[in-house]
Amino acid sequence: AQKVTQAQTEISVVEKEDVTLDCVYETRDTTYYLFWYKQPPSGELVFLIRRNSFDEQNEISGRYSWNFQKSTSSFNFTITASQVVDSAVYFCALIVSGGYQKVTFGIGTKLQVIP
Amino acid sequence: DGGITQSPKYLFRKEGQNVTLSCEQNLNHDAMYWYRQDPGQGLRLIYYSQIVNDFQKGDIAEGYSVSREKKESFPLTVTSAQKNPTAFYLCASSIQQGGWVGNEQFFGPGTRLTVL
Repeated sequence: AQKVTQAQTEISVVEKEDVTLDCVYETRDTTYYLFWYKQPPSGELVFLIRRNSFDEQNEISGRYSWNFQKSTSSFNFTITASQVVDSAVYFCALIVSGGYQKVTFGIGTKLQVIP
Repeated sequence: DGGITQSPKYLFRKEGQNVTLSCEQNLNHDAMYWYRQDPGQGLRLIYYSQIVNDFQKGDIAEGYSVSREKKESFPLTVTSAQKNPTAFYLCASSIQQGGWVGNEQFFGPGTRLTVL
């Protein structure tokens, strides 16, 4: 069985601070994909990034960066110089090989950026 | 613009009534999904469909039903058998290519259902 743990349920930071959202996953499959989604107050989930299990390269996209470490089964997400528009719930998710692409979601981390 | 539409955005239902939530996509995706979101519980899969005229139960299918008569449409009916239907419902779709590829899902704006 697969599991995604987001231990931080809520985080508050002051604007311009850096913040890291943690994600730890569990799976016995060797082939899998990890995702991060953003859910702003409007409700619609927005895809941010996908990383497959064979690619441990970290990725940076503007103020966003992701750190994938298979040794610790973690896929952490860092926002640099946070802005009020970053306030949202962020979900980490996992798909394993085979089947119908069933996604296992974490419970989400609610980020509040205070001006 | 390609995307997923869900209607209505807010829905109120009296206890004991069935209600149908609409989900339409024009992304030409084969796979479609319904999720339920409750505070503090993340997203839970209700039903999914990989192709037209086929669908499978997810983790919490009891009290729900779906149909997939057209590729672009995947309506969800919340029946009176669903014990606690008040929740936020999200529809999603993804490309379903031959062979397995971990494709991202695209989500609609959601429907917030409240049972009075």
